[in-house]
Amino acid sequence: DVKVTQSSRYLVKRTGEKVFLECVQDMDHENMFWYRQDPGLGLRLIYFSYDVKMKEKGDIPEGYSVSREKKERFSLILESASTNQTSMYLCASSLEDGPYEQYFGPGTRLTVT
Amino acid sequence: GDSVTQMEGPVTLSEEAFLTINCTYTATGYPSLFWYVQYPGEGLQLLLKATKADDKGSNKGFEATYRKETTSFHLEKGSVQVSDSAVYFCSIRGSYIPTFGRGTSLIVHP
Repeated sequence: DVKVTQSSRYLVKRTGEKVFLECVQDMDHENMFWYRQDPGLGLRLIYFSYDVKMKEKGDIPEGYSVSREKKERFSLILESASTNQTSMYLCASSLEDGPYEQYFGPGTRLTVT
Repeated sequence: GDSVTQMEGPVTLSEEAFLTINCTYTATGYPSLFWYVQYPGEGLQLLLKATKADDKGSNKGFEATYRKETTSFHLEKGSVQVSDSAVYFCSIRGSYIPTFGRGTSLIVHP
């Protein structure tokens, strides 16, 4: 079974802190994604990566950056956390070819105070 | 760009009732279509998929058929259970980036 793990289920940070969210997948997937999920807004894509060291902005990249130094790991960085970044963050991965389904991690609920 | 429209919830049903959650999409080409389910406190998981016109995806009693002529992928289940209470997301993917609907919350009462 494909497994996508995220470093924390719950995280509380203070405004202005630098925050790292880690995601690891164990199935050699080329594509990895970071989403945030907010009530009434569904899933919004922050960044995705289609290969090591490659990244593309999604719909809401402002205030975020990413890093993918190894194929299995995709990190989301909040350079200076703000209260409006309080949200559920979901990581996903998928194969590049084929039917393209995504596999999701359990999510990290981040609260910025 | 691509878009997905799914019915707004919450959908509230009694156990053993019939379920339909509508999903329509706009896309160029022939995307693959998916339904994902999210149980409380968890990430999304694939429920079913279809990759070409007239394909029927099915899993755990849920079904959806890829209707190219109406650009739809409606989710159905003949008899829902309390354990089906969750949020359901319709998604399409024709290239790298999938497109999701906003999700439909299903609440099933005993």
